[in-house]
Amino acid sequence: GAVVSQHPSWVICKSGTSVKIECRSLDFQATTMFWYRQFPKQSLMLMATSNEGSKATYEQGVEKDKFLINHASLTLSTLTVTSAHPEDSSFYICSALDDGETQYFGPGTRLLVL
Amino acid sequence: QKEVEQNSGPLSVPEGAIASLNCTYSDRGSQSFFWYRQYSGKSPELIMFIYSNGDKEDGRFTAQLNKASQYVSLLIRDSQPSDSATYLCAVNGEAAGNKLTFGGGTRVLVKP
Repeated sequence: GAVVSQHPSWVICKSGTSVKIECRSLDFQATTMFWYRQFPKQSLMLMATSNEGSKATYEQGVEKDKFLINHASLTLSTLTVTSAHPEDSSFYICSALDDGETQYFGPGTRLLVL
Repeated sequence: QKEVEQNSGPLSVPEGAIASLNCTYSDRGSQSFFWYRQYSGKSPELIMFIYSNGDKEDGRFTAQLNKASQYVSLLIRDSQPSDSATYLCAVNGEAAGNKLTFGGGTRVLVKP
């Protein structure tokens, strides 16, 4: 099956610093990847759609200057949380779209901002 | 009205029984339907997808789609304690590109 990895799996940082999260499709190429955020006991919230070689598309209410997305290759998308604050602490999950319409999720990155 | 609705549960099922999960959606143009399982603290994992009306079976799982009634269901046969998780229904709408709209999830508890 399709495998998607994320790195790091968890990160603790100080308020005001930036954190980069990587999402890789390991055994398939993904023109499109998605970034989600999930707070405890809540459902997944789509943050943005990442397209290889072009600008990401952000969902309403998500600040594109705060959550920088780069999709430089067909197997790698990165999400950088800039000037992180405690309210950004969450579970960040990426997914990669295969040739069809199926999204395969990475294992997630748990971010804690102190 | 939510676009994809699921009963939040918990759905309590004895071990060995059939768990039946339902999902309704509002976008009549929806084309693709997915079931994901999410264990507590983990990311979702794909169980199966269905595109056409009728039943689709994969091991102990059966997805059922009825586009006229706008619902999709998931049956888990011979439920095991390891099936205890939150099950997410996701729909790919006609106008949504490849973005998925998720239901809130149904928590399933399989009791030994």
